[in-house]
Formats: sequence, C-alpha cells, structure tokens
Amino acid sequence: EVQLVETGGGLVQPGRSLKLSCVASGFTFSSYWMYWIRQAPGKGLEWVSSINTDGGSTYYPDSVKGRFTISRDNAENTVYLQMNSLRSEDTATYYCAKSFDYWGQGVMVTVSS
Amino acid sequence: DIVMTQGVLPNPVPSGESASITCRSSKSLVYKDGKTYLNWFLQRPGQSPQLLTYWMSTRASGVSDRFSGSGSGTYFTLKISRVRAEDAGVYYCQQVREYPLTFGSGTKLEIK
Repeated sequence: EVQLVETGGGLVQPGRSLKLSCVASGFTFSSYWMYWIRQAPGKGLEWVSSINTDGGSTYYPDSVKGRFTISRDNAENTVYLQMNSLRSEDTATYYCAKSFDYWGQGVMVTVSS
Repeated sequence: DIVMTQGVLPNPVPSGESASITCRSSKSLVYKDGKTYLNWFLQRPGQSPQLLTYWMSTRASGVSDRFSGSGSGTYFTLKISRVRAEDAGVYYCQQVREYPLTFGSGTKLEIK
C-alpha cells in the first residue's frame, strides 16, 4: 500500500524558515517524480514544486522560486521542502504527491506573528 | 502561464442523475507525443485530493467507470454518471503539459 506521510508543519513567524518532510512507502520511491502542492484555507490547489527521480531537476512557480527548495533522499525514501523567507500568503496545507496519483494527508503551515 | 477555467454546476444534482464538469485551458494541452496532459481530481470534504483521470480520459487505478473524461486540446469535460452521495466534493482540473503546472479553481458538486 502506497503511503505518504508529511511532517514538519507548524506556526512560524514571517521571514523565518521551515522544512517539511514526506516519507514514502509502498512503492519504488527512486523511480517516481515527486511533487509538493499547497492549499490555502478555503482556497484551491496550487502546485509548489517538482523533483525528478534523481533530484537533478527541480521546478517551481514564480510565487516560491528563490525561497523554496525541493530535494530528495532516495536512500531514505523521503522528499523535502525547505521553505525560507516565509510570508503570510504561504499559510496553507502542504501535500506531497507521487506523480499526482497518490497524495499524503497534508501538513499545515501557518505564517503569522 | 496556462490558465485553467472551470465551469459551475447547477447544484444540487439529484442522486442517480448525471453531472458534467467543464474545464477550459488557455493553450492546447496536446503534447508532441499525441497525449493530452490534463488531470481531474476530486477532493472530498476534509480529505486529500484523489486522482480520477489522467491524459484527459484514462481512469486512475480503482476509479469507478461512472467517471469519464473527454475533450479536445483546450476544452474538457468530466462526466459523472448516476451520481451518488460519495461523489460530493470539489473537482479540479490540472494541466501538466508545461511548467508552471496549473489547476482550475474547482467546481463544487452537491448531491440531493
């Protein structure tokens, strides 16, 4: 059974950093692209980042480019999202996904003073 | 960026009836391999999104055949036959043709 478990969320002040983790199981992690997607409270879905199978290619929308970094550790079956210079508009539930066919339960990030 | 525009449903939809959700893209989602890079998701209240179809019309594993995706390069429809209470939620289309990947704003389906 495919499982994706995100951790690392919480309350953080504007301008500070936070690192999310997503531990995967139930599939050959190193064979799949991984994604982070977020959803602000009461809003729709926004793609946040993508990473290819070996971590050599990453992609971001302009809204997070230069502030967020996606990475992966195929030995640990884990994908990360390092979030720096956080803003109030980054407040959302963050989901990791395997090729968009399986999603984690999400982790809440609140950016507020 | 490719803009995804979703239609609105005349809610609520009576149980057992059909519902069609529309999505339009600002650019063709057909890639040079001939595939159309359009996903549909359902997000039930309080849950994570669930992939329903990919490549516009291919149902994801375990998805009921009551869900069918169709369309052209820029206009897409997700048809739900014989709607049931468990189909209630918000439906999103997503283009994965090019970066940045973009979602539609969602279409809410309520069941009567």
